[in-house]
Amino acid sequence: DGGITQSPKYLFRKEGQNVTLSCEQNLNHDAMYWYRQDPGQGLRLIYYSQIVNDFQKGDIAEGYSVSREKKESFPLTVTSAQKNPTAFYLCASSPTGGANVLTFGAGSRLTVL
Amino acid sequence: GEDVEQSLFLSVREGDSSVINCTYTDSSSTYLYWYKQEPGAGLQLLTYIFSNMDMKQDQRLTVLLNKKDKHLSLRIADTQTGDSAIYFCAESSSGGSYIPTFGRGTSLIVHP
Repeated sequence: DGGITQSPKYLFRKEGQNVTLSCEQNLNHDAMYWYRQDPGQGLRLIYYSQIVNDFQKGDIAEGYSVSREKKESFPLTVTSAQKNPTAFYLCASSPTGGANVLTFGAGSRLTVL
Repeated sequence: GEDVEQSLFLSVREGDSSVINCTYTDSSSTYLYWYKQEPGAGLQLLTYIFSNMDMKQDQRLTVLLNKKDKHLSLRIADTQTGDSAIYFCAESSSGGSYIPTFGRGTSLIVHP
């Protein structure tokens, strides 16, 4: 079955450490996205990529980095520069054109200890 | 103010209809969406409507769009306990590369 796989589901990190969240899709979608979700704040866009080897900053990119070396993969690194990294992170993908309907992964919950 | 606004909570009795409301600010919004999120999971698309439509129906779901007032609603008929979830309204436009902007989400609580 096609879909998006995020890993790990839960991640704990000490302050000052970088962590990388994995996102893989087998939907043959061109575009991929990372959103951050905090309680009561909805989804905020971190980074997006509409084509391999290219990506753009979203609304809250500071303290995060991404790469898009393969169409299927869009990993997100939460760096030590991110002041408040504890959150639920959602990866999504969409095909080019049309209504741009996003397909989401199941999410990764990062907790900084 | 926020680009997409929703009330945060809605409580209904099982079997009643639920109406979740959303307002948005971008008059050039092209697509408007409703997504559902169950606890600890990602979002899944329920339905979307193109801006030149004013209504869309899909089984128990009815979406109404008032483009003049920039108001979108989602009606769920015969609400069941399994409908308890967070419902997100979102909009996209060509000016934003059709990347959806989401509201804060409405938590729907269905009482037996």
